[in-house]
Amino acid sequence: GQSLEQPSEVTAVEGAIVQINCTYQTSGFYGLSWYQQHDGGAPTFLSYNGLDGLEETGRFSSFLSRSDSYGYLLLQELQMKDSASYFCAVRLNNFNKFYFGSGTKLNVKP
Amino acid sequence: ETGVTQTPRHLVMGMTNKKSLKCEQHLGHNAMYWYKQSAKKPLELMFVYSLEERVENNSVPSRFSPECPNSSHLFLHLHTLQPEDSALYLCASSQDRTGELFFGEGSRLTVL
Repeated sequence: GQSLEQPSEVTAVEGAIVQINCTYQTSGFYGLSWYQQHDGGAPTFLSYNGLDGLEETGRFSSFLSRSDSYGYLLLQELQMKDSASYFCAVRLNNFNKFYFGSGTKLNVKP
Repeated sequence: ETGVTQTPRHLVMGMTNKKSLKCEQHLGHNAMYWYKQSAKKPLELMFVYSLEERVENNSVPSRFSPECPNSSHLFLHLHTLQPEDSALYLCASSQDRTGELFFGEGSRLTVL
């Protein structure tokens, strides 16, 4: 089966930088995705790492190390609107299977 | 607007009822998914339809029955559900061989 671990909750102040870690155990790993979900809303895609290294998209960056079965999402210049839950998800070799972690609730304070 | 539309948004049903959830995607994708989201738990992959192939999660009870008549429409038929089935049911779509899922807003199901 698949197992993903991420912190349940993180708190940071506006303007700061926060890193949300994700470790995984899975067979047939193909890539790692990150999603954001505001209360009452649908998960929305943030980034995808198919190869080791850093992917940057504006204020958000995502990192993957396949050898460590580890990735993280880095959020810079935090804004109040970034308060949401963030999920990591592994994509398996069967390309259309995505398994999610339990999510990290990010609280951004003034 | 994500291009994935789910109806109904809210559904309350008794344990003996039969109901269906509907999902429609307007993105031209060729894979569609049902996920279950319960509080404090990971999104649970229930079913995947990809290029007309159904991939089933063996832990899903038979009281949940998916149907995918074409690449744009997906249904989840519900029958004799239990109160623990109360959850948010999310539909998603993707283009085969990409790493991005597009989710609908979800159908909030309450089983009494």
